[in-house]
Amino acid sequence: QVQLQESGPGLVKPSGTLSLTCVVSGDSISSANWWTWVRRPPGKGLEWIGEIYHSGRTYYNPSLKSRVTISLDTSKNQFSLNLNSVTAADTAVYYCARSAAVGFDYWGQGTLVIVSS
Amino acid sequence: DIQMTQSPSSLSASVGDRVTITCRASQSISSYLNWYQHQAGKAPKFLIYAASTLQDGVPSRFSGSGSGTDFTLTISSLQPEDFATYYCQQSYSHPYTFGPGTKVDIK
Repeated sequence: QVQLQESGPGLVKPSGTLSLTCVVSGDSISSANWWTWVRRPPGKGLEWIGEIYHSGRTYYNPSLKSRVTISLDTSKNQFSLNLNSVTAADTAVYYCARSAAVGFDYWGQGTLVIVSS
Repeated sequence: DIQMTQSPSSLSASVGDRVTITCRASQSISSYLNWYQHQAGKAPKFLIYAASTLQDGVPSRFSGSGSGTDFTLTISSLQPEDFATYYCQQSYSHPYTFGPGTKVDIK
């Protein structure tokens, strides 16, 4: 069974950097899947942030592209999200997910990140 | 970017009701349309891909249809565990985009 688990600080100061890690079990980061970040701001819907392939190829949401970096660590079977220059608008539950050929088939439980001083 | 809309934004229904949710894309996405169920505090659940194919383990009361720009998700007989928010998502092109969601609650 594929499982994903997000971790990282739950509170980030405005203008700081949000950093999250997603540990994957039951599948290899080097498999033929993409690895994705999605967020849900309070009271709003889901927003796709971006994804990475084991080759290092990435796609980002243009609305966040200038601030976001997704990377992977094959030795630890995990991938990470960095979002810089955060504001209150970046407060959200952040999810990592496996992006299979058909869709986002496995998701983490999500982690709440609050941007506040 | 491809914009996704859903209607209604919310609905109230009773156990056993038939429920239909509509999703529309701002341009043709062929059948690259997925549906997810999201309950508060839980991970989103992958229900349907390619507009009409049920993901493994998803009950047969769920069905999807459509192609091009117009799609529907139908729950043939609503069960207590189905009360949730449902999102459509296009996987036709980057950036992937979700609809705003349809909240299904208890009448």
